Amino acid sequence: NAGVTQTPKFQVLKTGQSMTLQCAQDMNHEYMSWYRQDPGMGLRLIHYSVGAGITDQGEVPNGYNVSRSTTEDFPLRLLSAAPSQTSVYFCASSTRAVGKNEQFFGPGTRLTVL
Amino acid sequence: EDQVTQSPEALRLQEGESSSLNCSYTVSGLRGLFWYRQDPGKGPEFLFTLYSAGEEKEKERLKATLTKKESFLHITAPKPEDSATYLCAVQPSGNTGKLIFGQGTTLQVKP
Repeated sequence: NAGVTQTPKFQVLKTGQSMTLQCAQDMNHEYMSWYRQDPGMGLRLIHYSVGAGITDQGEVPNGYNVSRSTTEDFPLRLLSAAPSQTSVYFCASSTRAVGKNEQFFGPGTRLTVL
Repeated sequence: EDQVTQSPEALRLQEGESSSLNCSYTVSGLRGLFWYRQDPGKGPEFLFTLYSAGEEKEKERLKATLTKKESFLHITAPKPEDSATYLCAVQPSGNTGKLIFGQGTTLQVKP
């Protein structure tokens, strides 16, 4: 199993550009989430999904869109990049089985917006 | 409001010097409390899940405990390879998979 994979590892954008961060998992997990990690702020939830076709907003959703057409994939779209979106982005997945709720994280995407 | 606070922010230990990291939380119903380890430039790596007050989990030199208001990560006789940032997160009640993270404790163990 590859676990949770994310692409790209690094990305530089100019203000106003759009892009999609890819996330995939091969563990057949129902739950998937996107977090951003900034110095001194910890990990903050952007959007999450409890299954294919179902998504919801987290703590910091503005400027980001998600969709979940399959169990495996959960892409994060930046509509019009801003310098405030410079961050490290992590995707995570977990099963909803009781007692097995630990989330598994991908390696992250480091995004810089100029 | 659901909230997680970790202390201290940073901790420096000599190899073999045992200590504890603290995670205080307020949450509207606790579904689970999670500890993760994060190395620089990598994603968080799962360590433990605790579900109810009084529960304890151990792995090598690490032991996690849980009360109704806080969790401790005890590190016994640490080694330099234990140097990392340790993250605490809570999952509120409700079947959504959402996690609320603390800001982390960065541990440095000197030989």
